[in-house]
Amino acid sequence: ELKVEQNPLFLSMQEGKNYTIYCNYSTTSDRLYWYRQDPGKSLESLFVLLSNGAVKQEGRLMASLDTKARLSTLHITAAVHDLSATYFCAVVNGADKLIFGTGTRLQVFP
Amino acid sequence: DVKVTQSSRYLVKRTGEKVFLECVQDMDHENMFWYRQDPGLGLRLIYFSYDVKMKEKGDIPEGYSVSREKKERFSLILESASTNQTSMYLCASRVVSNSPLHFGNGTRLTVT
Repeated sequence: ELKVEQNPLFLSMQEGKNYTIYCNYSTTSDRLYWYRQDPGKSLESLFVLLSNGAVKQEGRLMASLDTKARLSTLHITAAVHDLSATYFCAVVNGADKLIFGTGTRLQVFP
Repeated sequence: DVKVTQSSRYLVKRTGEKVFLECVQDMDHENMFWYRQDPGLGLRLIYFSYDVKMKEKGDIPEGYSVSREKKERFSLILESASTNQTSMYLCASRVVSNSPLHFGNGTRLTVT
């Protein structure tokens, strides 16, 4: 059974700092997604990573996928308050089901 | 833009009631999904559907059923609501297998 773990679960960081959120998964998969959720809102798709070594960047966020290590990272560069949200990774299992991590709640303060 | 619409934003129901959660998407997507979201547990898949009249169990189907009579509509049914089904319910759709899910705004259900 595929398990998806994110860490940290909660991240409080100062504006301008860099940090990385990690997403580990337990069985082989070659598809991984990152989503963002603002408080009281639904989930918004950020990145789709479809192969080993895939790297996607949008603004201050960069996501990468290492299928051999079963690891994806979401790197935040020079954080700003607008990035405060909960970030989820999700991995596709053998039955084409999307399994979500528990989420990382990011809070950026001045 | 894809629009996934859930009929209710908030619902309060009594234990034992039959509850219908409706979801409609306007982009002719083949696949539709129902998740529930609970603090500390992330999103868990209840049921999904690859096409009209088709349904597959997710990871936590007990106490739920679904209906997909038309391509654009996917309904989640709680046959007899219980307090442990108090949760945020999220509907999602996607066009093909590799594409990301598009989520609705969610229905916060409280069962008393």
